[in-house]
Amino acid sequence: DAKTTQPNSMESNEEEPVHLPCNHSTISGTDYIHWYRQLPSQGPEYVIHGLTSNVNNRMASLAIAEDRKSSTLILHRATLRDAAVYYCILRAEGGADGLTFGKGTHLIIQP
Amino acid sequence: IAGITQAPTSQILAAGRRMTLRCTQDMRHNAMYWYRQDLGLGLRLIHYSNTAGTTGKGEVPDGYSVSRANTDDFPLTLASAVPSQTSVYFCASRPDKTFGKLFFGSGTQLSVL
Repeated sequence: DAKTTQPNSMESNEEEPVHLPCNHSTISGTDYIHWYRQLPSQGPEYVIHGLTSNVNNRMASLAIAEDRKSSTLILHRATLRDAAVYYCILRAEGGADGLTFGKGTHLIIQP
Repeated sequence: IAGITQAPTSQILAAGRRMTLRCTQDMRHNAMYWYRQDLGLGLRLIHYSNTAGTTGKGEVPDGYSVSRANTDDFPLTLASAVPSQTSVYFCASRPDKTFGKLFFGSGTQLSVL
């Protein structure tokens, strides 16, 4: 699977939008972009995924660049409970050998 | 809805002892995974299973074994624990045809002294 690059940490204020960037310049045409988050002392939790078009769900939005070499996870109104490590992961369809997690972005939310 | 249950929640183990970490899911997922998470190294895949009766090696399989006798259970065994196996262990499962959507358990904190 292709490599992703994320900032080590980001800080935001409560009730403001948060834009978490991810670069994946070597993404292949069959790679889906997945985002997970890991709250303190918990296992990772699926957030959202997409291929080419922007995606929305109850947790977040995923904006994918037209050339697919980068994407942004958008939390529309951050709360203290959104403080977590956010992972951007590429995964092609097929195969069954799990996901490769990088170090992610540690999101800090200030009250 | 139970999802994935891991046991024990935490364990302190003497080096050289045998230990089995349990993982059970009630979602009838065919694919299951074991990861370990260490500070600064992120999550690393130990073993996986595509379906009952089959298993495969991940990135860091040495010192660990798994079995998959049925769909629900995927135990991870440390035959002779060593201090470098001190870690948080996460079990996960995946619905069929959703290759990137994993469901994780709450983890087992294992300390090998």
